[in-house]
Amino acid sequence: AQKITQTQPGMFVQEKEAVTLDCTYDTSDPSYGLFWYKQPSSGEMIFLIYQGSYDQQNATEGRYSLNFQKARKSANLVISASQLGDSAMYFCASEVYGNNRLAFGKGNQVVVIP
Amino acid sequence: DTGVSQDPRHKITKRGQNVTFRCDPISEHNRLYWYRQTLGQGPEFLTYFQNEAQLEKSRLLSDRFSAERPKGSFSTLEIQRTEQGDSAMYLCASSLEGFTGIYGYTFGSGTRLTVV
Repeated sequence: AQKITQTQPGMFVQEKEAVTLDCTYDTSDPSYGLFWYKQPSSGEMIFLIYQGSYDQQNATEGRYSLNFQKARKSANLVISASQLGDSAMYFCASEVYGNNRLAFGKGNQVVVIP
Repeated sequence: DTGVSQDPRHKITKRGQNVTFRCDPISEHNRLYWYRQTLGQGPEFLTYFQNEAQLEKSRLLSDRFSAERPKGSFSTLEIQRTEQGDSAMYLCASSLEGFTGIYGYTFGSGTRLTVV
């Protein structure tokens, strides 16, 4: 079974600063993908970034980057130049290829302050 | 492409009543998924369809829950004899078979159920 661990308490971040959200995962399968989603108060899960287990380079999407440390089973999300609209819950998730479902962590609350 | 639509957005019901939620996936997506998210937790997988076939159900999906996707397009999730523990956000997602990762799952805005 896949297990995702997100243990950081809620975070306050100054606008324009960077924030790192921690995520560790536990899977014995060699083929998997890692995702980060943003969930604002409206409830929708918004896809941010994806990293495949065989990808050699860390994924980047605009202000989002994923610090993938495979040996440590870590997939931290870095948000650069925080904006007020980044205030939301952030969820790390994994998918073992072929399992046809995502396993989510409990999320990290981020509040960006001006 | 208007994304994944869920209806209603909010539902308040009395304990013991039946409720039904609807999900309209992205039209070209042949896979549809239901997840449940309780307060303070991440979403948990409930079930998924490939076209009209329900291929997998989680143990979380008790006998009071039933999901259908009759023509391989929209899906409904019905909860019979609701209990307070059913209060949660019910999220629907869709994807195209064989495509995961960056092309993978698109989620709707969810239906927030409150059982009083």
